[in-house]
Amino acid sequence: EADIYQTPRYLVIGTGKKITLECSQTMGHDKMYWYQQDPGMELHLIHYSYGVNSTEKGDLSSESTVSRIRTEHFPLTLESARPSHTSQYLCASKSDRLYYNEQFFGPGTRLTVL
Amino acid sequence: DQQVKQNSPSLSVQEGRISILNCDYTNSMFDYFLWYKKYPAEGPTFLISISSIKDKNEDGRFTVFLNKSAKHLSLHIVPSQPGDSAVYFCAASAGGNTPLVFGKGTRLSVIA
Repeated sequence: EADIYQTPRYLVIGTGKKITLECSQTMGHDKMYWYQQDPGMELHLIHYSYGVNSTEKGDLSSESTVSRIRTEHFPLTLESARPSHTSQYLCASKSDRLYYNEQFFGPGTRLTVL
Repeated sequence: DQQVKQNSPSLSVQEGRISILNCDYTNSMFDYFLWYKKYPAEGPTFLISISSIKDKNEDGRFTVFLNKSAKHLSLHIVPSQPGDSAVYFCAASAGGNTPLVFGKGTRLSVIA
């Protein structure tokens, strides 16, 4: 069983607020990812990290930022939330030990911006 | 342009029968394919994977078939159970260091 955690699970906030979505994993995985997913749509990669102090933007343009100061922690921050940011945000991690292996996902954060 | 396509948004199957979920891809560099299952308000759960050196992989009730020439893979669930009702995502990777690319998912409903 994978140990990857996301908080909060649900968040309703007003436009213009700054928010941070937390993601932590206890598996020592180097690779971590943030996806955005809307109903009926694919998971869109918005940020990823291959290790401490490494962050990259994904395929989907995003106004969010991420940091990777510790291996186990990969928070995502929205400086000024807008209704267009309403979505489900999924964090994932992956081990480097095998060339082919799966990503493990957290339970997700459902964000609603009013 | 979508690199991973799941053309059936939904599928209904009777309990005990076979469920077949399909996935097509366009990028010939993809060499690793995965299926994930997702319940509402939860994160995706890994089901089964296959690398491009194989054409079939089985795990219990789940079998994935890969047809590289057709750039097509399918997930077979036999027998289908009501607990299998969920959204199934197909994903592909072009190597160990590249991020996964996901399809839009197929919602499977298994009717008792």
